[in-house]
Amino acid sequence: AQSVTQLDSQVPVFEEAPVELRCNYSSSVSVYLFWYVQYPNQGLQLLLKYLSGSTLVKGINGFEAEFNKSQTSFHLRKPSVHISDTAEYFCAVSDVLSGGSNYKLTFGKGTLLTVNP
Amino acid sequence: EPEVTQTPSHQVTQMGQEVILRCVPISNHLYFYWYRQILGQKVEFLVSFYNNEISEKSEIFDDQFSVERPDGSNFTLKIRSTKLEDSAMYFCASAKVRVPSNVLTFGAGSRLTVL
Repeated sequence: AQSVTQLDSQVPVFEEAPVELRCNYSSSVSVYLFWYVQYPNQGLQLLLKYLSGSTLVKGINGFEAEFNKSQTSFHLRKPSVHISDTAEYFCAVSDVLSGGSNYKLTFGKGTLLTVNP
Repeated sequence: EPEVTQTPSHQVTQMGQEVILRCVPISNHLYFYWYRQILGQKVEFLVSFYNNEISEKSEIFDDQFSVERPDGSNFTLKIRSTKLEDSAMYFCASAKVRVPSNVLTFGAGSRLTVL
């Protein structure tokens, strides 16, 4: 079984400041890692994913995340945020051994990023 | 861009009543899922559905819950007799292909409030 911890429930930042949203996971098997974003009144949208290869993953809207296996972390970063980045961000993992109909995601509690002018 | 559509967006019901939450997955997707998020808690897996049967379900998905795909387009979650603790945001998701790295497409959610 896997678990995901998002240490910060809320992160307020000013516009154009850098931001890092932290995510740690635990698993007894190899995992795939994901960040989802939820804008108000919308569904969960995939920001980026790590499957294999380069540990630095780039996603949409200028976000990137780095997979650190030794620290079991997958922190999300953006060098300069915009007001429009205000949303809830969810880190998630899936077990590489599961697939198809057994595929499921384990989510963290989410981090509310609020970008202030 | 194709999307997963959920209705209603918000439903208020009395404890003990039956509730049906509806989802229209993306048309060529084959795998369907329900997740839920109780306010302030994690998004939790409820059930996965493929080839007209449940593939996997969590401990949360007890006998009060059921899913079906009645007409080839809708995917429904029924709660037979709602409890206060069923109040949550329910997300439907679908996926096209059978690989672990597949991306789930989520709907906007249905907020259920049980009074």
